[in-house]
Amino acid sequence: KNQVEQSPQSLIILEGKNCTLQCNYTVSPFSNLRWYKQDTGRGPVSLTIMTFSENTKSNGRYTATLDADTKQSSLHITASQLSDSASYICVVSAQTGANNLFFGTGTRLTVIP
Amino acid sequence: DTGVSQDPRHKITKRGQNVTFRCDPISEHNRLYWYRQTLGQGPEFLTYFQNEAQLEKSRLLSDRFSAERPKGSFSTLEIQRTEQGDSAMYLCASSYREGEQFFGPGTRLTVL
Repeated sequence: KNQVEQSPQSLIILEGKNCTLQCNYTVSPFSNLRWYKQDTGRGPVSLTIMTFSENTKSNGRYTATLDADTKQSSLHITASQLSDSASYICVVSAQTGANNLFFGTGTRLTVIP
Repeated sequence: DTGVSQDPRHKITKRGQNVTFRCDPISEHNRLYWYRQTLGQGPEFLTYFQNEAQLEKSRLLSDRFSAERPKGSFSTLEIQRTEQGDSAMYLCASSYREGEQFFGPGTRLTVL
């Protein structure tokens, strides 16, 4: 069964600190993995996309890693800011089918001053 | 703004009423998707269109739900005889073929 699991479910950190969010998936055949940021009451916005051959990809203070062998990904946020407070959703695409996106339930990050 | 737009952003209705949401995709995108998202959960697929053809529907899309994309551009999602369980964020996304899906801001539905 194609599934995406994220941990932790929620996280509270102090402004300026780093954090790492985890994503495990069982989607097959794998096409790509995206991390989305979703602000409260808004639609998800893509942060990074990684294909099978990519291990690391950065977007500013966001760095995503992918281990296709263990089917794990992480999103590392450096020097967190108050504006980083949001839900972070891991989305894995399968190679086949138009309805080929599998969503995690997200990690709710709260950055406090 | 050339992104995906949705209207209205918020809708409050009484149980039993009908509601209709609109989604305007990115102009060159031929695929349009509808998702439902409840609090603390990821989006759940409802249906998708390729041009004007509705090609797939989730079992979540009961008979009370209907979606259209008459000219292959904007789409509407109608919910008839709303129930409290329909309260959710309804997200629309569009893509060019199987490329990246770009999401709209969503319509928050509250059924009283």
